[in-house]
Amino acid sequence: EAGVAQSPRYKIIEKRQSVAFWCNPISGHATLYWYQQILGQGPKLLIQFQNNGVVDDSQLPKDRFSAERLKGVDSTLKIQPAKLEDSAVYLCASSLQQTGADYTFGSGTRLTVV
Amino acid sequence: KQEVTQIPAALSVPEGENLVLNCSFTDSAIYNLQWFRQDPGKGLTSLLLIQSSQREQTSGRLNASLDKSSGRSTLYIAASQPGDSATYLCAVTAGTYKYIFGTGTRLKVLA
Repeated sequence: EAGVAQSPRYKIIEKRQSVAFWCNPISGHATLYWYQQILGQGPKLLIQFQNNGVVDDSQLPKDRFSAERLKGVDSTLKIQPAKLEDSAVYLCASSLQQTGADYTFGSGTRLTVV
Repeated sequence: KQEVTQIPAALSVPEGENLVLNCSFTDSAIYNLQWFRQDPGKGLTSLLLIQSSQREQTSGRLNASLDKSSGRSTLYIAASQPGDSATYLCAVTAGTYKYIFGTGTRLKVLA
């Protein structure tokens, strides 16, 4: 079974530029999550989708971050404009159910903002 | 607001030792608790999931316990090996099953 795919693996941008990350969840997984992991910290949920609807985006900085999940499959997370403090690893995860029993994480995208 | 704390932040042990990693959470009204492993530059791998009605789960050399009333969980690793070196993260679910993570314990097992 293929895992959660993310791209790119690494990205370096200058502050005030924009960037987008892509995630392809495990086939059939209805729930998709985007987490931000700053160095030395645990991941923090940014947004959770159930199919193509948003379940929770309470910690998403909506003035600069946006996310969508078209057709309830792939998802993109965008930052515009980026700030230095956005440097982090962005992890995508998916699950078949919301119970967490089959939570699967991708390898993440490491973003460096200079 | 739920907060998750992990102690110790880092741990270095010789190969073969049994060890315990600790996790505490402030709100006992959780749905489940999960232990993850994170290798450098990699995503998270689920190790053990304990549902709120359970008290422990075991997988091979790993055993995780949950005491909701005291807001604590422990991950026990028996006969540690160099391949166990990684960061171990504890996370609890709340509300919409989003995970709230601790900051992790960085484990190094010396050969």
